[in-house]
Amino acid sequence: AQKVTQAQTEISVVEKEDVTLDCVYETRDTTYYLFWYKQPPSGELVFLIRRNSFDEQNEISGRYSWNFQKSTSSFNFTITASQVVDSAVYFCALSEASGGGFQKLVFGTGTRLLVSP
Amino acid sequence: GAGVSQTPSNKVTEKGKYVELRCDPISGHTALYWYRQSLGQGPEFLIYFQGTGAADDSGLPNDRFFAVRPEGSVSTLKIQRTERGDSAVYLCASSLRGETFYEQYFGPGTRLTVT
Repeated sequence: AQKVTQAQTEISVVEKEDVTLDCVYETRDTTYYLFWYKQPPSGELVFLIRRNSFDEQNEISGRYSWNFQKSTSSFNFTITASQVVDSAVYFCALSEASGGGFQKLVFGTGTRLLVSP
Repeated sequence: GAGVSQTPSNKVTEKGKYVELRCDPISGHTALYWYRQSLGQGPEFLIYFQGTGAADDSGLPNDRFFAVRPEGSVSTLKIQRTERGDSAVYLCASSLRGETFYEQYFGPGTRLTVT
């Protein structure tokens, strides 16, 4: 069975600090996808990134970066120079690679990030 | 363009009542998903539609839950004989269909409270 663990329930930082959100996953599939979503107080899930299991290159997008390590089954997310607007709940998710574009997402329990001024 | 919309945004009902939750996907998206998010938890998959048919309903918790998508666009999630444990935010997502992955776009959710 697939499982995603986000051990950090809540993290509090002061603006401009760097912060890393941890994600550990379990799957028996050799081909799978990993995701990060942001859920601001408004409640709507916002897609941040998708990674497939064959691509272990780290990715950087502005202040966001992701570190995918298959050897440790981890897909960690770092926000550099955090801002108050980054305050939200962040979810890591996993999906098997099935045909026909069907992607059933398995989510972790989320990490609440609080960035104070 | 317009995103995924869900109505109502909030629904309070008494235990034992019947409720319907509506989802309007992004125009042109053939795939539609329902998830349920309990307090302090991540969303959990309920059901997936490809067009009009439910391609995977393995996440529906029991036979009190049912969903339809009669014309391949709007979907309705129906819950019979509601229980207090059904209280949660029900999220809908839609995506394009294809041989490769397409991003799921989520709606704002319907917060269901069963008293």
